[in-house]
Amino acid sequence: EAQVTQNPRYLITVTGKKLTVTCSQNMNHEYMSWYRQDPGLGLRQIYYSMNVEVTDKGDVPEGYKVSRKEKRNFPLILESPSPNQTSLYFCASSFDGRARGRETQYFGPGTRLLVL
Amino acid sequence: DAKTTQPTSMDCAEGRAANLPCNHSTISGNEYVYWYRQIHSQGPQYIIHGLKNNETNEMASLIITEDRKSSTLILPHATLRDTAVYYCIVRGVSYNFNKFYFGSGTKLNVKP
Repeated sequence: EAQVTQNPRYLITVTGKKLTVTCSQNMNHEYMSWYRQDPGLGLRQIYYSMNVEVTDKGDVPEGYKVSRKEKRNFPLILESPSPNQTSLYFCASSFDGRARGRETQYFGPGTRLLVL
Repeated sequence: DAKTTQPTSMDCAEGRAANLPCNHSTISGNEYVYWYRQIHSQGPQYIIHGLKNNETNEMASLIITEDRKSSTLILPHATLRDTAVYYCIVRGVSYNFNKFYFGSGTKLNVKP
């Protein structure tokens, strides 16, 4: 089954304790992206990657890191989490549609993070 | 980058058609219009997309005005399971491809 998976689905942590949220897709997609969703603010893009070893900042990258060493995985790293990073996080992927502009983006189930 | 404007919420009776409008007056010629929906706090789900012509699939129809400044998503026979937040998004080609602005969306309430 074609899908985007995220782990963990729920996480409670404390300020300053490094954590990683994993994202994996089995569709051979070039493009992957991370979003956070907060009440009243909708989904905002954190980082995206156009392919292996190619990453760039989205709209709200502060406090986050990403890496893309393999095509299928795109982990989100919080080196020193703070309470304002408490949020619902989504990973997404699609084929590289820069030429056609019509590639559908598939989303993971979400990771709910609480930073105390 | 083109942004979209949608009503905050709408109600629809079960079994009736739900028509969700979206304004994208700054859309450029090579930008597609996408619709996604999000049920509760699940991951957004793709519904349909289009460029100029009207589109239909098993989930919905998309009507795009001739000047492309607005569009309407039509759910022909809404059910209670269609209650969700619906997002209208424009996405470009080339350098704009990586940007995917969700906006605030429309909360559709389907009532029995």
